[in-house]
Amino acid sequence: QVKLLQSGAALVKPGDSVKMSCKASGYTFTDYIIHWVKQSHGKSLEWIGYINPYSGGTNYNEKFKSKATLTVDKSSSTAYMEFSRLTSEDSAIYYCARSNFFDYWGQGVMVTVSS
Amino acid sequence: DIVLTQAPLSVSVTPGESASISCRSSKSLLSSKGITSLYWYLQRPGKSPQLLIYQMSNLASGVPDRFSSSGSETDFTLKISKVETEDVGVYYCGHRLEYPLTFGSGTKLEIK
Repeated sequence: QVKLLQSGAALVKPGDSVKMSCKASGYTFTDYIIHWVKQSHGKSLEWIGYINPYSGGTNYNEKFKSKATLTVDKSSSTAYMEFSRLTSEDSAIYYCARSNFFDYWGQGVMVTVSS
Repeated sequence: DIVLTQAPLSVSVTPGESASISCRSSKSLLSSKGITSLYWYLQRPGKSPQLLIYQMSNLASGVPDRFSSSGSETDFTLKISKVETEDVGVYYCGHRLEYPLTFGSGTKLEIK
């Protein structure tokens, strides 16, 4: 069955970067794009961007263009998102989701930015 | 950016009764291919969101037919018939018409 398994929670200091992973299984990784979504505590969903695992092509929400970097490793069917220059505003849960339908979601990565 | 406005903020329903949630778009979600690019998701407490409805009215795999959705180019309604306790959570609408993708602010469904 399709699964997206994300890396564990992260506690990081302001100004640092964090890199999280999303490992896909149960389907051909290069057949579907992977989206990333931010959910601040108790709030709605914000689209960060997507990556096409086949071509490596990306598309970012302007709001996160200087903040997020999306990459993939096709050999391990894993998508990555690196978030840089972290501030308290970046404390949130980050999800990966498959395809433009967002038909499968990872379990989320809780990122806490605190000194 | 397309703004999706959901109403109500929360709804409290007796099991077995129906509930309706509205989503209004600031722009027509009808694509040039004739597809209405409106999606519904449910986020149960402590869980990841899950897809309920795609392209305005199509039920996602495994979703009970108690869920249905309809609408026009800008106004949409998710209806849940015979609400069950497992339907508790926050419902989000989202569009896939253009980038950036956006979501509504969510409607919380509670059981009376």
